[in-house]
Amino acid sequence: EPEVTQTPSHQVTQMGQEVILRCVPISNHLYFYWYRQILGQKVEFLVSFYNNEISEKSEIFDDQFSVERPDGSNFTLKIRSTKLEDSAMYFCASSELGLKETQYFGPGTRLLVL
Amino acid sequence: AQKVTQAQTEISVVEKEDVTLDCVYETRDTTYYLFWYKQPPSGELVFLIRRNSFDEQNEISGRYSWNFQKSTSSFNFTITASQVVDSAVYFCALWEGSGGSYIPTFGRGTSLIVHP
Repeated sequence: EPEVTQTPSHQVTQMGQEVILRCVPISNHLYFYWYRQILGQKVEFLVSFYNNEISEKSEIFDDQFSVERPDGSNFTLKIRSTKLEDSAMYFCASSELGLKETQYFGPGTRLLVL
Repeated sequence: AQKVTQAQTEISVVEKEDVTLDCVYETRDTTYYLFWYKQPPSGELVFLIRRNSFDEQNEISGRYSWNFQKSTSSFNFTITASQVVDSAVYFCALWEGSGGSYIPTFGRGTSLIVHP
């Protein structure tokens, strides 16, 4: 069964460093999403992406964040200058036809900013 | 006020009991979507169900059923004959927006513990 993959599974970085989280969505999917979940808290939406551009973004997704689909298969989330409060689990998801179809989630990347 | 309220922080049941997880939402939009997700102890997120605001038909999928009532702005989730494998955190989410672009707001989640 096709699945969404994410790398790395864990990343530790120093405050102020740039990180890139990678996701490989399911191949025929057109809609992509990033969410984050601070430990023990609720899930928060970051951004949705369709047709090579951002569809929607939340207030969390400020200019420190960016997304890219560099090569037609990967979908990346970049945090330019990490802060302590960026420590969280980051989930990527994809769907074939947006909200009309099931969303499939990756296993997540646990980011720890020291 | 929260847009999505899951008032039950934690529910503990014994296997084979039925359990209902409540979700109350608040929106001014006429078109919106409601989702339920499951997050088992392993941490991944699993999509369970999606409903749009124009479809109030209740749905049953095996032991899972969902009751959508616009009159009370609720989208409750019932697990019949619960099993230990149902132990997880369950999140309800409201997707609001227009013109094909929607943003979700998640509830704080309900932790369900099913004891053998």
